[in-house]
Amino acid sequence: DTEVTQTPKHLVMGMTNKKSLKCEQHMGHRAMYWYKQKAKKPPELMFVYSYEKLSINESVPSRFSPECPNSSLLNLHLHALQPEDSALYLCASSQPRGRDTGELFFGEGSRLTVL
Amino acid sequence: QKEVEQDPGPLSVPEGAIVSLNCTYSNSAFQYFMWYRQYSRKGPELLMYTYSSGNKEDGRFTAQVDKSSKYISLFIRDSQPSDSATYLCAMVRAGNTPLVFGKGTRLSVIA
Repeated sequence: DTEVTQTPKHLVMGMTNKKSLKCEQHMGHRAMYWYKQKAKKPPELMFVYSYEKLSINESVPSRFSPECPNSSLLNLHLHALQPEDSALYLCASSQPRGRDTGELFFGEGSRLTVL
Repeated sequence: QKEVEQDPGPLSVPEGAIVSLNCTYSNSAFQYFMWYRQYSRKGPELLMYTYSSGNKEDGRFTAQVDKSSKYISLFIRDSQPSDSATYLCAMVRAGNTPLVFGKGTRLSVIA
């Protein structure tokens, strides 16, 4: 079982809804990531938090808003999404050196459908 | 030219076969090379991790990196139906830069 837990596993929302995706890890990792993955494509990096501070934002639209309340939790707030935002949203964590070495631990993902 | 090239397959092999998965890359600054395995509707799982050139073996899996040719490989011996998944190569430069993934190769091992 993965040690990175994501909730909910599935989410269906309308374009006017506000929802949040949640991610939790208890491995003591101090770097956390949000990735977006479309079908048959590799994961695309969205955001990186290091020591609870946002360190990378890969030009993600403002309708996606990340939050890192503490070292174990990572949220992704969703508002006014478009149908093309439907995808698998993956959370990952790593030791700080994982940002150099690529050793990431992924959760199982939250599958989002925007109607 | 993309930074990382990986044949998406699909690749179908009989149980017990030796599987060879490959990626090429263009940026000589890459230093760490990974293989992630992703089962359908699951998140990627780190399978093998190699620093610089050389081989690394873990059970039925062997990862090879040839920096002079900018070529990495993953070999799976005695392949099993449970190895059926998408295999993503990934690599990273040092210095806090994002991981770069290949497109992934879909592998099916037929019993």
